[in-house]
Amino acid sequence: LAKTTQPISMDSYEGQEVNITCSHNNIATNDYITWYQQFPSQGPRFIIQGYKTKVTNEVASLFIPADRKSSTLSLPRVSLSDTAVYYCLAGSGAGSYQLTFGKGTKLSVIP
Amino acid sequence: EAGVAQSPRYKIIEKRQSVAFWCNPISGHATLYWYQQILGQGPKLLIQFQNNGVVDDSQLPKDRFSAERLKGVDSTLKIQPAKLEDSAVYLCASSLGGRKAFFGQGTRLTVV
Repeated sequence: LAKTTQPISMDSYEGQEVNITCSHNNIATNDYITWYQQFPSQGPRFIIQGYKTKVTNEVASLFIPADRKSSTLSLPRVSLSDTAVYYCLAGSGAGSYQLTFGKGTKLSVIP
Repeated sequence: EAGVAQSPRYKIIEKRQSVAFWCNPISGHATLYWYQQILGQGPKLLIQFQNNGVVDDSQLPKDRFSAERLKGVDSTLKIQPAKLEDSAVYLCASSLGGRKAFFGQGTRLTVV
């Protein structure tokens, strides 16, 4: 499993785009990057996953450069309800996937 | 689609007592995870099942924690005896086997 490093916390104003970068220098060839979101008093929720280049869904975009040693989660026009902890995971596992969480990034959206 | 169900939502026990948590995963999900999340930290994997077999229990304190998954569906996690440092939220998650797991709301355990 690749070790991931992300900022402990970030602040943003409502309506801004937020980019959270995750470093995974020793990512393996078959590892995917997955992001989860966790609100207080709730379990984590899957947001997005990707292998390379760019992936976009209704919630976020994920940018992965060619060397795949880092990735950036982009949240467009954040609102107060986006205040949460965001976790970056990198790994695969054989057969049954291992989901190892780090400390995450606490995003605080300010009105 | 019904989500992952966990019970109880809250539990307060005295140290050295025993406690059990129950998890009902999403129907058809072969992979089931139990996590421990201490306040301010990320979830820590305790045990991972594939159907009713254990895939990973390397971080499960086996002298006091045990888990089982009967018939590859429901699962229980038990702590006996509990210690003060076991106070945490215990999360259950399930998946079809990929990286998209669905989490329950968790059980908040307080050991006094």
